[in-house]
Amino acid sequence: DIQMTQSPSSLSASVGDRVTITCQASQDISHYLNWYQQKPGKAPKLLIYDASNLETGVPSRFSGSGSGTDFTFIISSLQPEDIATYYCQQYNNLPWTFGQGTKVEIK
Amino acid sequence: QVQLQQSGPGLVKPSQTLSLSCAISGDSVSSNSAAWNWVRQSPSRGLEWLGRTYYRSKWYNDYAVSVKSRVIINPDTSKNQFSLQLKSVTPEDTAVYYCARDYCSRTGCTRFQVWGQGTLVTVSS
Repeated sequence: DIQMTQSPSSLSASVGDRVTITCQASQDISHYLNWYQQKPGKAPKLLIYDASNLETGVPSRFSGSGSGTDFTFIISSLQPEDIATYYCQQYNNLPWTFGQGTKVEIK
Repeated sequence: QVQLQQSGPGLVKPSQTLSLSCAISGDSVSSNSAAWNWVRQSPSRGLEWLGRTYYRSKWYNDYAVSVKSRVIINPDTSKNQFSLQLKSVTPEDTAVYYCARDYCSRTGCTRFQVWGQGTLVTVSS
């Protein structure tokens, strides 16, 4: 199975800050990576697909980049409603696997 | 707009079978541009993909190795839904279970665009 490693596991930032989360795959997954947001008690929500494509309806302050084994997810200006846990997920090979999550909190 | 509605018991006894259903609205379980998945989430395992079913002239299934000997995912075309059966459960199977629709194109299935609301299943006597 492909292992997905996210960092950091949690972070605290102020409203308006730029937030960066990284995800590293245990092998080359090309651009086959998605990012999800999960709020407490809710299902994950797709934000970014194919490493850098913004899902319809998702605010443009969210972005993603990377290919191969190293990927980055950015919130350009953190908003109070962005408090959540964020997950990366690879779909290069079955089984689809997820990172362990990054919990984002407001400072 | 595609929506998924989960149903099933929240408590299962050890050694018994966990059974959940996921009703689809706004799409067809037989769609050639979708795959129908089950994912679970627990503090110890995080988000874990369990398997999927999909139709491409015939029905296919893929399962995670970790549960392959115990899991069945079936479509039900008469009810436009799909189901999860996990046999011989233990307390380690306690988790929130989600159904999810995978968007698929000619090049493959690429993202979980739609999720069910989640069902907390506790395995306990």
